[in-house]
Amino acid sequence: KAGVTQTPRYLIKTRGQQVTLSCSPISGHRSVSWYQQTPGQGLQFLFEYFSETQRNKGNFPGRFSGRQFSNSRSEMNVSTLELGDSALYLCASSLERGIEYGYTFGSGTRLTVV
Amino acid sequence: KQEVTQIPAALSVPEGENLVLNCSFTDSAIYNLQWFRQDPGKGLTSLLLIQSSQREQTSGRLNASLDKSSGRSTLYIAASQPGDSATYLCAVNSGYSTLTFGKGTMLLVSP
Repeated sequence: KAGVTQTPRYLIKTRGQQVTLSCSPISGHRSVSWYQQTPGQGLQFLFEYFSETQRNKGNFPGRFSGRQFSNSRSEMNVSTLELGDSALYLCASSLERGIEYGYTFGSGTRLTVV
Repeated sequence: KQEVTQIPAALSVPEGENLVLNCSFTDSAIYNLQWFRQDPGKGLTSLLLIQSSQREQTSGRLNASLDKSSGRSTLYIAASQPGDSATYLCAVNSGYSTLTFGKGTMLLVSP
């Protein structure tokens, strides 16, 4: 079965711009989580969506937002980009909080802010 | 707040060695623990998932153990190969729709 698909793979944006990243989960998975990975901070949780509702949110500023559509695809948006937003953004899907079968991650979107 | 620590941060071994990667967590109230592999610039590949009720899981040359009461897990890699070179991440699921990750162990296996 198809895995988790993230698009685009790479992005270069200018400070102050906004960006939208997309994630399509494994078919049948209704939970989508987003993580930011940087060399200094490692992997940090951004937010999780389940059936179009945000269930949990990490400690990130309001410039980071997301949504989930009825087909479980999710998007995350970062507004007013800062240099420090340069990171690998990873999306993960699961059946239900990853309790029974764990999480499956996508290949990530590499965002560079210049 | 759950905290996950991985030791060592980096490891370099010759091909053929057996090795152990360590992961410790502060809160034993977990649902499961998942080991991932990450190649440079890539996403995470799940290696093993251990439920809180299990003591170990095996997949090929990989064996992961879990001691929930002491907050420890180990990933054992037998007969290491250059293709095993990657960063290995341990992640704990405490059931709040999020995984808590360690910083990882960067493994280099030289021919």
